[in-house]
Amino acid sequence: GAGVSQSPRYKVAKRGQDVALRCDPISGHVSLFWYQQALGQGPEFLTYFQNEAQLDKSGLPSDRFFAERPEGSVSTLKIQRTQQEDSAVYLCASSLSGEQYFGPGTRLTVT
Amino acid sequence: GQQVMQIPQYQHVQEGEDFTTYCNSSTTLSNIQWYKQRPGGHPVFLIQLVKSGEVKKQKRLTFQFGEAKKNSSLHITATQTTDVGTYFCAGRGGATNKLIFGTGTLLAVQP
Repeated sequence: GAGVSQSPRYKVAKRGQDVALRCDPISGHVSLFWYQQALGQGPEFLTYFQNEAQLDKSGLPSDRFFAERPEGSVSTLKIQRTQQEDSAVYLCASSLSGEQYFGPGTRLTVT
Repeated sequence: GQQVMQIPQYQHVQEGEDFTTYCNSSTTLSNIQWYKQRPGGHPVFLIQLVKSGEVKKQKRLTFQFGEAKKNSSLHITATQTTDVGTYFCAGRGGATNKLIFGTGTLLAVQP
């Protein structure tokens, strides 16, 4: 079956613009995670869903970041009023029982 | 907050040499996972360790979880060029599903 997919793969935004990043998890995976990965660093946890419930959003860096998973499948990470420090790769991962399966990521560049 | 450090940050070996990366957590972990990320790619799950003192092998890779469940190691015997990439440990503490990724070790293998 298909793995985790993310779109767009690349996004260039001007500072101050809003962006929306989409994640399609593996079908049937209950858990979904968002991470932010800066160049040369490890993935940093942003938020976690179990079905449609957002159980942990402790990693979201500011109230400009918002994530949702309304039907317990596809998830969207929204960043409002983007700043240069938001430039990074945003990774989505889904999980059924422990191990996480990552998507290819969205590389966001804020100019 | 919980921190996970890895050493070394970078290792360059000749093909056929062995390689080890060490992972240390500031807090006790419920389990630890290891991921490999190829240059330009996304993290790929390798293994999960749960029990204190656990040792698991996958072909040339040997994973260990420390007795105190605060450290772990990955050893690769007789490296090959296909082993190139960054190896991350990722720890889960307490009852949360949140994974804290280590700082990573970038392995370069010279043929």
